[in-house]
Amino acid sequence: KNEVEQSPQNLTAQEGEFITINCSYSVGISALHWLQQHPGGGIVSLFMLSSGKKKHGRLIATINIQEKHSSLHITASHPRDSAVYICAVGEDFGNEKLTFGTGTRLTIIP
Amino acid sequence: GAVVSQHPSRVICKSGTSVKIECRSLDFQATTMFWYRQFPKKSLMLMATSNEGSKATYEQGVEKDKFLINHASLTLSTLTVTSAHPEDSSFYICSGRKDQYNEQFFGPGTRLTVL
Repeated sequence: KNEVEQSPQNLTAQEGEFITINCSYSVGISALHWLQQHPGGGIVSLFMLSSGKKKHGRLIATINIQEKHSSLHITASHPRDSAVYICAVGEDFGNEKLTFGTGTRLTIIP
Repeated sequence: GAVVSQHPSRVICKSGTSVKIECRSLDFQATTMFWYRQFPKKSLMLMATSNEGSKATYEQGVEKDKFLINHASLTLSTLTVTSAHPEDSSFYICSGRKDQYNEQFFGPGTRLTVL
């Protein structure tokens, strides 16, 4: 079974700071997902990636398959970025089950 | 983007009653839908995988007679919590798989409180 670890568990930063959230997993994967969960509970899929790097607005996600590690970066952070960020991995194409990390709670202070 | 809705968003019921939660893919056909449960400050736990027109596959430890899942069409799956008890109180989230590349789109969740 894949072990998915995220760090840090909690992160508080000032508005404008560059944010990095890390995710490590133990078994080779087919794809890695970054999800955002706001206080109300709804989940938004931010990225799905299997190699390299993806960028969407102020969000950047990278993955290193050899090191079994991914990072989510937020540039010019804003209080509306405050949420729980969850890393999830899928192990096989055709096996859609995801293994979830425990999440990183990000708080951006104005 | 691909949108998944859930209804209701919040439900409070008495112990012993049954509650049905709907999950709809609004702008895509979801051949597979997933049902998750989330306890406070915990990560998502997969309950079952549902393929359109066939029986759901339940994860170990999830009672299929208690959590009835129906995936009757490519845009609708339902989760019925039968004879609900206070320990069933939780946040239930569904997701739909859009295509073969494993991308899942999540619903906004349903908060169930059983009194």
